[in-house]
Amino acid sequence: QVKLQESGPGLVKPSETLSLTCTVSGASISTYYWSWIRQPPGKGLEWIGHILYKGNTNYSPSLKSRLTISVDTSKNQVSLTLASMTTADTAVYYCARALIGRTYPDWLDPWGQGTLVSVSS
Amino acid sequence: QSVLTQPPSVSETPGQRVTISCSGSSPNIGSNIVNWYQQLPGAAPKLLIYNDNQRPSGVPDRFSGSKSGISASLAISGLQSQDEADYYCASWDDSLNGLVFGGGTKLTVL
Repeated sequence: QVKLQESGPGLVKPSETLSLTCTVSGASISTYYWSWIRQPPGKGLEWIGHILYKGNTNYSPSLKSRLTISVDTSKNQVSLTLASMTTADTAVYYCARALIGRTYPDWLDPWGQGTLVSVSS
Repeated sequence: QSVLTQPPSVSETPGQRVTISCSGSSPNIGSNIVNWYQQLPGAAPKLLIYNDNQRPSGVPDRFSGSKSGISASLAISGLQSQDEADYYCASWDDSLNGLVFGGGTKLTVL
């Protein structure tokens, strides 16, 4: 059974950099794509980006300039770094395994439980 | 403003059937598969329908998905109180080169 667990700071200050880790168990990180998704409080889901273990990444155009997603195969972890945080980045951040449908890694299963990140001074 | 358009809310009584629509455009639903996610209150989203109309193991056959052109639908029959949740459609968008979600639909079982 594949399980994902997000971890990171619950609070970051405006202009700081967010670093989150997703620890994967039950599957090798070197086999699949891995995605990050976020959900502002009371709002809908927003895709952040994904990575293949080789390092191939694809980022949301709206976050691309501030975003880095990486993998650590030795720890079976996926990481997210988002720079220049603002209050608009306050959200629950989820990681998920991304499976290839017809062409793209577009269906997400399973998801981690998510971690709430608040941006406040 | 989401790239995929869903009704904000739908409601129906137990035992009945409800459908949730998801409207897109040529670069997304018109060219790629649609997946649906169920988010129960306070929980993470869960894959409900993949590849337009396939159910993952463990998802009851009361849930079904369909797609035609640039629109997709999720149907839930034999509604139960535990189906109360937010439902999201998603599809890859060739123009944005990324995954796009609908704004979500809150299902209330009256």
